[in-house]
Amino acid sequence: GAVVSQHPSWVICKSGTSVKIECRSLDFQATTMFWYRQFPKQSLMLMATSNEGSKATYEQGVEKDKFLINHASLTLSTLTVTSAHPEDSSFYICSARGLSGYTFGSGTRLTVV
Amino acid sequence: LAKTTQPISMDSYEGQEVNITCSHNNIATNDYITWYQQFPSQGPRFIIQGYKTKVTNEVASLFIPADRKSSTLSLPRVSLSDTAVYYCLVGGNSGNTPLVFGKGTRLSVIA
Repeated sequence: GAVVSQHPSWVICKSGTSVKIECRSLDFQATTMFWYRQFPKQSLMLMATSNEGSKATYEQGVEKDKFLINHASLTLSTLTVTSAHPEDSSFYICSARGLSGYTFGSGTRLTVV
Repeated sequence: LAKTTQPISMDSYEGQEVNITCSHNNIATNDYITWYQQFPSQGPRFIIQGYKTKVTNEVASLFIPADRKSSTLSLPRVSLSDTAVYYCLVGGNSGNTPLVFGKGTRLSVIA
């Protein structure tokens, strides 16, 4: 079945630094990938839709200059959290649609200290 | 995308059958109903998908009445490892529209 690989699985960074999260579709091509954020005890919130070769589409309230998305190939999308602050600490999850439906990555736990 | 409503939480003892019902009154003709399971600090995992009537796989059954305004996920003989959050989603089965998650149902299985 379709597999989406997400790295790193967890990261701790200092406030003010940037962190890059990678999302790869391993056995299928994904022209579109999705990025979600999940706070403790809450549901997944869609942040943006990543489109290969074009600009990402951000949901209302998500700062595009803070959460940079790059989808340079059909199998890789990256989310960069720039100038991270403690309030950006969260669980970030990517998703892509394969032939059998939507598949999710294993998530990245970001902790900003 | 159709909005879904599920119970916030449910408790069950091991070995019992658990039924989680989801309401989706505004489901569109093209929409499928899909259930995902999520464990803490993991991405959601696909459980089952259906359009109408009944669908069964190795882990669950999905019951959808004729009007499709609701659906019920049935987990037979749950174990402690079934403790998770279960999400019901409705949406098209083609194209690249993102899945929009509701609050989900937190199932706690007790020994």
